[in-house]
Amino acid sequence: DAKTTQPNSMESNEEEPVHLPCNHSTISGTDYIHWYRQLPSQGPEYVIHGLTSNVNNRMASLAIAEDRKSSTLILHRATLRDAAVYYCILRDSLATSGTYKYIFGTGTRLKVLA
Amino acid sequence: NAGVMQNPRHLVRRRGQEARLRCSPMKGHSHVYWYRQLPEEGLKFMVYLQKENIIDESGMPKERFSAEFPKEGPSILRIQQVVRGDSAAYFCASSPTSLQGSGNTIYFGEGSWLTVV
Repeated sequence: DAKTTQPNSMESNEEEPVHLPCNHSTISGTDYIHWYRQLPSQGPEYVIHGLTSNVNNRMASLAIAEDRKSSTLILHRATLRDAAVYYCILRDSLATSGTYKYIFGTGTRLKVLA
Repeated sequence: NAGVMQNPRHLVRRRGQEARLRCSPMKGHSHVYWYRQLPEEGLKFMVYLQKENIIDESGMPKERFSAEFPKEGPSILRIQQVVRGDSAAYFCASSPTSLQGSGNTIYFGEGSWLTVV
C-alpha cells in the first residue's frame, strides 16, 4: 500500500501558484520524498526530490515540514501543460528480496483553468 | 542522451495470443522495474530485474507473466495467453543503481499500451 496520502484532485487558474500537499506520517529518517507527474498517455516524469531541506529546480519547489511528516510541491506559475496527475512517493522495501521499489498511490489530478 | 525506450507503444492482441513488451534502459542503467497501470488506476509494481537476474517478482501474477533482462539486449515482459483483463499500460523504469540509497531516482519510459480484443 502507498505510504503517502494526497488529495484526489485540485484546480488552479493559469499563471497562479499551485501548492500540492502530501502526508507521509510514517516516513523513516533516511527516506527521501520523491515527486513525479504523469501527463495523459505518457509515462511518469520525475519532478523533484528531497530529504529535509527545501529544494528548488527548474520545474518546481519542494517544501518539507520540519517533522518530515508532510511536504508540499509548489508550481510557481501553473500553465495548461502542467495539467497532470502528481504523485508523491516514498520507497518501500521488497520483503522477499530485501531490496526496494517505489510505490505509487492514486496521486492528485491537477486541473489548470485557462 | 536517449531515455528509457519502450516498444511497441501500442499493441493489440486477441485473447489467447502472446504479448512481448520490450524495454531498453537508459545508458549506464542496469536496474529495471516494470509497472502496470490499469485504466483510471495508479501504477502497480510488477518486477525488479538486474542484468541476467530477477531480483524481485512479488508483484507479478503467478501465471502467464514472465520477465527477463539478458546480458545483451532489452528487458522483455512476456504475457502468454492474454485475456481482456491484461489490457493496460505497461511502464518500464530504470536506475543506475539500486534504491538502497533512498535518494536514487528512477526514470520511466513512455509505456506500452496493450489492448486485448
